[in-house]
Amino acid sequence: QVQLQQWGAGLLKPSETLSLTCAVFGGSFSGYYWSWVRQPPGKGLEWIGEINHSGSANYSPSLKSRVTISVDTSKNQFSLKLTSVIAADTAVYYCARLGRQDYWGQGTLVTVSS
Amino acid sequence: DIQMTQSPSSLSASVGDRVTITCRASQTISTYLNWFQQKPGKAPKLLIYTASSLQSGVPSSFNGSGSGTDFTLTISSLQPEDFATYYCQQTYSTPRTFGQGTKVEIK
Repeated sequence: QVQLQQWGAGLLKPSETLSLTCAVFGGSFSGYYWSWVRQPPGKGLEWIGEINHSGSANYSPSLKSRVTISVDTSKNQFSLKLTSVIAADTAVYYCARLGRQDYWGQGTLVTVSS
Repeated sequence: DIQMTQSPSSLSASVGDRVTITCRASQTISTYLNWFQQKPGKAPKLLIYTASSLQSGVPSSFNGSGSGTDFTLTISSLQPEDFATYYCQQTYSTPRTFGQGTKVEIK
C-alpha cells in the first residue's frame, strides 16, 4: 500500500520561501511522476508541477519562475520550493501520485501573512 | 495551456436523483481526462480515469463518458455520501489543468 507523508512550515511571511517535502512509503518510486497540487481556502485545485525519479520536472507556467521540484531517490522523497511567497500563495498543499490509481499526502496548510 | 471548463459550478439535488456534470476542454485531449471527488477537509479522490474507466472501489453509479473536448460525469442515483465537489483534470499535456469544480449540494 502506497502512503505519502508530507511536512513543512505552515506559516510564512511575504517574500519567504515555502519548502515542503513528501516521503513515499510502499510501492515503487521509479516509473511514476510525483506531483504537487494546491488549493486556496474555499477555492479549486491548482496543479503546481510534477517530477519523476530521474529528476525530469514539469511546472505550471504561472508558477514556473518561482517553483522548484526536486527528488531524492535514496530516501524516496520529493520536495517543493516556492520562492518569494505572497498572500495569494496561502493554500493547502498536497503531494500526490496521480494516474490510474491516486495517492495523496495529508495536505499542509501554508499561510502567508505578515 | 489547456483550459478546462466545468458546468454547472454548483447544483442542488435530492437523494436518488440522476446528476450530470460536464467538462469541456479548450482543445482536444482525446480521453486523457480524470474525474475527482473531494469532500470538505479531505484530499481529492479519483473516481474515473481516461474519461470512462471506473477506479477500483468506486460505485458503479458513477459513469464517465466523452472524448475530444466534451466529457460528462453522471451519477445515476445520488446517495448521501455523494454530496461533494467534483473536479475534472486533463492529463493530455502539462500543465495538467483542473476544472473549476462543481459542488453538489442537498436540495
